[in-house]
Amino acid sequence: DAGITQSPRHKVTETGTPVTLRCHQTENHRYMYWYRQDPGHGLRLIHYSYGVKDTDKGEVSDGYSVSRSKTEDFLLTLESATSSQTSVYFCAISEDQPNPYGYTFGSGTRLTVV
Amino acid sequence: AQKVTQAQTEISVVEKEDVTLDCVYETRDTTYYLFWYKQPPSGELVFLIRRNSFDEQNEISGRYSWNFQKSTSSFNFTITASQVVDSAVYFCALNNNAGNMLTFGGGTRLMVKP
Repeated sequence: DAGITQSPRHKVTETGTPVTLRCHQTENHRYMYWYRQDPGHGLRLIHYSYGVKDTDKGEVSDGYSVSRSKTEDFLLTLESATSSQTSVYFCAISEDQPNPYGYTFGSGTRLTVV
Repeated sequence: AQKVTQAQTEISVVEKEDVTLDCVYETRDTTYYLFWYKQPPSGELVFLIRRNSFDEQNEISGRYSWNFQKSTSSFNFTITASQVVDSAVYFCALNNNAGNMLTFGGGTRLMVKP
């Protein structure tokens, strides 16, 4: 029932290299989000998008950039990966903001920066 | 701004015990939505329940129950007769009308031992 898919599911990369994570949705939802999950911090918002080419920063946006050239795709880029960006990254979608039905989350991408 | 606090980082119980997971939130908005998500060891986020700020009715779903109290800004989650399959990380989350995206608490790791 995956209306939202993330790729890759796992990635190991070296410090200083660029990394792009992809989120793809088939629900035609307006809003898309990138969160990172770290122990003790829950999930924290990195960036979000409220339409094609419309994006904004979240709580922990430093070191990350995003792009949304199509409704269905939201890309998260680490321009120069650092060890502090080792985390699990979740993409989410919603029709509205706020959304009384919550967000739908992807399965996550585990990124390790060595 | 909004904030969600889950003071219990880890709880360990023996199977069949009842357990309550605490959630306290802060928001200045009068219209908001509260959620609980479960993250089993497999890593995906599973939606459990939503509640809007106008509905203080408590809810029971099988062994799960939720106690929403606006007076104390709390939205606590109780599992009755816990089972090993309940072992997971549980997140409380808040979404409001004031431009804030879905905000998560730090999560509570529940371990149910046989």
